[in-house]
Amino acid sequence: SAVISQKPSRDICQRGTSLTIQCQVDSQVTMMFWYRQQPGQSLTLIATANQGSEATYESGFVIDKFPISRPNLTFSTLTVSNMSPEDSSIYLCSARGGNYGYTFGSGTRLTVV
Amino acid sequence: AQSVTQLDSQVPVFEEAPVELRCNYSSSVSVYLFWYVQYPNQGLQLLLKYLSGSTLVKGINGFEAEFNKSQTSFHLRKPSVHISDTAEYFCAVSVDFGNEKLTFGTGTRLTIIP
Repeated sequence: SAVISQKPSRDICQRGTSLTIQCQVDSQVTMMFWYRQQPGQSLTLIATANQGSEATYESGFVIDKFPISRPNLTFSTLTVSNMSPEDSSIYLCSARGGNYGYTFGSGTRLTVV
Repeated sequence: AQSVTQLDSQVPVFEEAPVELRCNYSSSVSVYLFWYVQYPNQGLQLLLKYLSGSTLVKGINGFEAEFNKSQTSFHLRKPSVHISDTAEYFCAVSVDFGNEKLTFGTGTRLTIIP
């Protein structure tokens, strides 16, 4: 299975600022996904990021708030824009490898103050 | 659209006792099913998955799960738990046909009592 390096692992940010989270995969993958895990909750899909096309966002998530880049088959970024305390969550990226091998990054724990 | 239900939000179990974590799904098409474990302050690790074939799936750390199509269930079991099994467990479902995202259940917190 693919191995994903995600950074930063955690950050404390001021409200109104933006944070960009990076995920690097050790092999080429077609599909990457970004999830949000609010405190004590399950994972909610933010968007699906395919190389060469715009990300597909789930209901309740918009590109202006969570812009995503996917410049190649091994890298993706998620930006959390104009942050508020409600954005405090763990953000995880995931990649789909062969044989439905979904792997996850270790997560970014974001606190907005 | 598919959905996943984990009825038990918390399951306390004595060490060396057996455990079953329940998962039911809903989908109008064939599904692929997964169990993930999340240890404190870590990402998700795949325990096992069902894609096709034998309905009894064996995973890592002594866990296994059985796919039951008639009951739309994919319960996770372990015959004897250890303190190190304390974690959050997530059941997830995916379908094919170009929509390959994982949909997660709400999770079950397994606490092992010494």
